[in-house]
Amino acid sequence: GENVEQHPSTLSVQEGDSAVIKCTYSDSASNYFPWYKQELGKRPQLIIDIRSNVGEKKDQRIAVTLNKTAKHFSLHITETQPEDSAVYFCAASTRTNAGKSTFGDGTTLTVKP
Amino acid sequence: NAGVTQTPKFRILKIGQSMTLQCTQDMNHNYMYWYRQDPGMGLKLIYYSVGAGITDKGEVPNGYNVSRSTTEDFPLRLELAAPSQTSVYFCASSSGQGIDGYTFGSGTRLTVV
Repeated sequence: GENVEQHPSTLSVQEGDSAVIKCTYSDSASNYFPWYKQELGKRPQLIIDIRSNVGEKKDQRIAVTLNKTAKHFSLHITETQPEDSAVYFCAASTRTNAGKSTFGDGTTLTVKP
Repeated sequence: NAGVTQTPKFRILKIGQSMTLQCTQDMNHNYMYWYRQDPGMGLKLIYYSVGAGITDKGEVPNGYNVSRSTTEDFPLRLELAAPSQTSVYFCASSSGQGIDGYTFGSGTRLTVV
């Protein structure tokens, strides 16, 4: 089955700096890569996603890149703010596999004011 | 539009007791999922369903059971609770296209003592 590895497990940055979280996946059939943000005690919420036919996608201060050849994808947050502090999860899924997502173990991002 | 609703939010069970975690969605989504989240870990898939009357095991199904009699409801049954089932349980749904993100419920925090 699919295996998703996520790094780093914790990340601390100063407000205004950029943050990058990286994930690798094992199943070359995976074609959809969502990112979720989970604030303390809350549910995960989808913040951005990318499909396999696209190399990069941007939404305001967040962007995601995908390298299908190397089987890795990354989340980039620019101009970080204290409210960006949360746990971020990457995931990989396949259209033909009931849309099941395999999740990474999460990255705890702390933005220091 | 409530999205995905989970009940209860918290529960303490004694070893050997049973309970049902309820999950209802009002988005007419075909695909529904149950994940568990252990501290500091990612989400592990317990069971999933691609439509009414169709369920299948995920990565960690032992000790659990599900049913899907309607599109809206996807309850998770715990039989003979064990301390290893102490976790936060999330129900999620997606439209069934296979390349869209999940909408999560607010979670059930279960402690088995």
